[in-house]
Amino acid sequence: GENVEQHPSTLSVQEGDSAVIKCTYSDSASNYFPWYKQELGKGPQLIIDIRSNVGEKKDQRIAVTLNKTAKHFSLHITETQPEDSAVYFCAVANMEYGNKLVFGAGTILRVKS
Amino acid sequence: GAGVSQSPSNKVTEKGKDVELRCDPISGHTALYWYRQSLGQGLEFLIYFQGNSAPDKSGLPSDRFSAERTGGSVSTLTIQRTQQEDSAVYLCASSSQRGGPYEQYFGPGTRLTVT
Repeated sequence: GENVEQHPSTLSVQEGDSAVIKCTYSDSASNYFPWYKQELGKGPQLIIDIRSNVGEKKDQRIAVTLNKTAKHFSLHITETQPEDSAVYFCAVANMEYGNKLVFGAGTILRVKS
Repeated sequence: GAGVSQSPSNKVTEKGKDVELRCDPISGHTALYWYRQSLGQGLEFLIYFQGNSAPDKSGLPSDRFSAERTGGSVSTLTIQRTQQEDSAVYLCASSSQRGGPYEQYFGPGTRLTVT
């Protein structure tokens, strides 16, 4: 089955700096790649996603890049703010087979002010 | 509009008892998913419902786990004869799916503690 690896497990950045989180996956048939943000005591919140027919997608300070050949994708957060501090999860799915998400282990992001 | 809701938010039960967890998806969403989040296993898929199709139960860890979805809306996840390793946060997500979009929206979860 699909295997997703996420790095780093923790990331500390200074407010205003950029943060990058990377994920690799194993199944070349996977075609949907969302990123979720989870705050303490809450469910995961979808922040951005990308499909396999696109190489990059941007939404304000957040961007995701996808390299299908290398089977990895990354989350980029620019101009980080203290409220960006949370746990971030990447996930992988196949839209033709129920879109069941396989998650990475998560990255704890701390933005220091 | 209203998001995915789950109840109860917390449940403490004794080992061996049965528990029922409830999920109310976003109105109009045809797909519903259950996931489990635990320290040891991370976030893992349990079961998936899509419209009137037979559910995909491929993620259920044992036959003590079952789920149903009535009227294409509310879903109940049942765990029989609970064990300590069942302690986790149980998350429900829904999606509109048909022809896209495929985004899954999660509820706040039910924290289950088995003593």
